[in-house]
Order: sequence, then C-alpha cells, then structure tokens
Amino acid sequence: GIQVEQSPPDLILQEGANSTLRCNFSDSVNNLQWFHQNPWGQLINLFYIPSGTKQNGRLSATTVATERYSLLYISSSQTTDSGVYFCAAVYGGATNKLIFGTGTLLAVQP
Amino acid sequence: DVKVTQSSRYLVKRTGEKVFLECVQDMDHENMFWYRQDPGLGLRLIYFSYDVKMKEKGDIPEGYSVSREKKERFSLILESASTNQTSMYLCASSLIDTQYFGPGTRLTVL
Repeated sequence: GIQVEQSPPDLILQEGANSTLRCNFSDSVNNLQWFHQNPWGQLINLFYIPSGTKQNGRLSATTVATERYSLLYISSSQTTDSGVYFCAAVYGGATNKLIFGTGTLLAVQP
Repeated sequence: DVKVTQSSRYLVKRTGEKVFLECVQDMDHENMFWYRQDPGLGLRLIYFSYDVKMKEKGDIPEGYSVSREKKERFSLILESASTNQTSMYLCASSLIDTQYFGPGTRLTVL
C-alpha cells in the first residue's frame, strides 16, 4: 500500500524563525492534505493540495506530484504554531480515504 | 462551518465492557470515518462508511464494529474492550474531498 513519510520527526524553533516540513509518498495519490493538531488534540485542515503551491497567511504548501513529495512552509513562527503537523495522502476514489504520515512535532519557544 | 462532534472527550472503561463512541456531523456529508491515533503510529483508519447502512473495513478493523443508521451519525463499537484499545479515537466526515475531524475521544481501558 501507499507509504507516507514525514521529516523531521521533531523540530524546536525560536519564535520568529522559519521552517520547512517535508512529506514523501510512495505511490501516485489522488491528492494530499496537511493538518495541524493543536495541543488539545483537534485536527485542523491547513491545505488540500494535489499539485502546485497554495498560501494561507504565514503558511504555504507545495506539492510536486511527479516527484511524490509535498512541503509545508511556516514563516515567522509563533508559539500558537506548536503542535503536530500531519500530511495525509488521499486515495480510494470517491470515498477519499487517507493514509497519514507519523507527523512532525513542532515546538515554538518564546 | 462544518461541525463534527463526538459524544465524549474522555472515557474510562473496564476490560470486557461494551463501549459505544458516537460521532455526529451537521453538513450532510456522505462519507464518515473512524481513526485511532497512537504515539509514533499517526492516525490509522478503523472503518469508514460512504452511505447510510454501508460500511467498509479500514486498515485495523479487528475488535471493532460500526453502525450508521442515519446519515449524520456514525458509531464505533468495541464489543469487548481490551487494554490494547486504549487510544485516542477521531471521527471525520467528508463530502467530496477534504476531511473534517471531530475533537477526539481519549479512551482508557483498565
């Protein structure tokens, strides 16, 4: 089946720093999603990005489907960015099942 | 805004008990999903449903069953809870693409 790998597994930043999180996937997928899980456990949608680049405030994402990877950029990080970032590959036709990576744990220190 | 709610944030049960986890979505979504989240393993799909009374096994269905009698409600059932089912359980729904998650239920089986 499809494998999804994320790197780095852990990341510590000082407030204001920039970072790049990477997601590699092993096979062709229908689409890719990025999520942020806050310290209370809630998963929040960040991007739904099959290819190209999208931006939302200080966050942006790029997916290069032909090379099977996606990147999440966080600029000018804030303490509220702390949490776990997951990417998930979308497969399964109309049912849109997800295969999740194991996540990147981000801690932003003041 | 899409709203997905789960019946409990925290639940403590004893080994052998029958456990019901409820999930309700208010956006008339066709697809609903149950995941469990464990440290180092990310989220893994237990079961999903693409219509009322329709269900399919995910990656780790053993020890679980589901019920979808109404479109807005998807229940996860642990027939006889065991300690290895201690985990965070997350429900999600989707129409076409993006999955929206509930706040999660942290289940402890003693």
